[in-house]
Amino acid sequence: GAGVSQSPRYKVAKRGQDVALRCDPISGHVSLFWYQQALGQGPEFLTYFQNEAQLDKSGLPSDRFFAERPEGSVSTLKIQRTQQEDSAVYLCASSLVEEQPQHFGDGTRLSIL
Amino acid sequence: TQLLEQSPQFLSIQEGENLTVYCNSSSVFSSLQWYRQEPGEGPVLLVTVVTGGEVKKLKRLTFQFGDARKDSSLHITAAQPGDTGLYLCAGAGRGSTLGRLYFGRGTQLTVWP
Repeated sequence: GAGVSQSPRYKVAKRGQDVALRCDPISGHVSLFWYQQALGQGPEFLTYFQNEAQLDKSGLPSDRFFAERPEGSVSTLKIQRTQQEDSAVYLCASSLVEEQPQHFGDGTRLSIL
Repeated sequence: TQLLEQSPQFLSIQEGENLTVYCNSSSVFSSLQWYRQEPGEGPVLLVTVVTGGEVKKLKRLTFQFGDARKDSSLHITAAQPGDTGLYLCAGAGRGSTLGRLYFGRGTQLTVWP
């Protein structure tokens, strides 16, 4: 597709379950970013990939959060043992290179019950 | 924690009015970007300003970057109902944080017909 694609669009999980969120960036985009957007807030940086290398994971809130991009294209954000405070919209963005404008997907809305 | 402070947080106006949204920070950014976000969608880039003092115009929208590259403003002339949305400013990191975007909390604009 022409834009960044994220799936699923909505995810409901019970507290303690593991979840996996997928991001398909724009073809050819080297840089990929994950952000977390809580209700009523702006997006907050989680992690950044350049191709398959995770260059910055300083925004991940805990060791329950894990992201990968094994072939430098599709990325997965995994959250283990989910907690209620993990409820948020998770946005993925990609850019041609890191200094170029980021193009966002429509996000995955995660609700933890 | 939001590095960028946006004001006002909410703005409700009648069609045809003018408005200004402010984005302030104590940090210097390599560039500053303005996004607009609709419910259930990801942020869409409106403009990037790079040079201190820079002014960019996009139809009825005027964007200004402060001389010290710490603050910015968005001015909309003769607002229309189609301008309704969440306006986010985001500063681009430098050095070790190159590529990261630091978002403000956003200004929710509602334009009534």
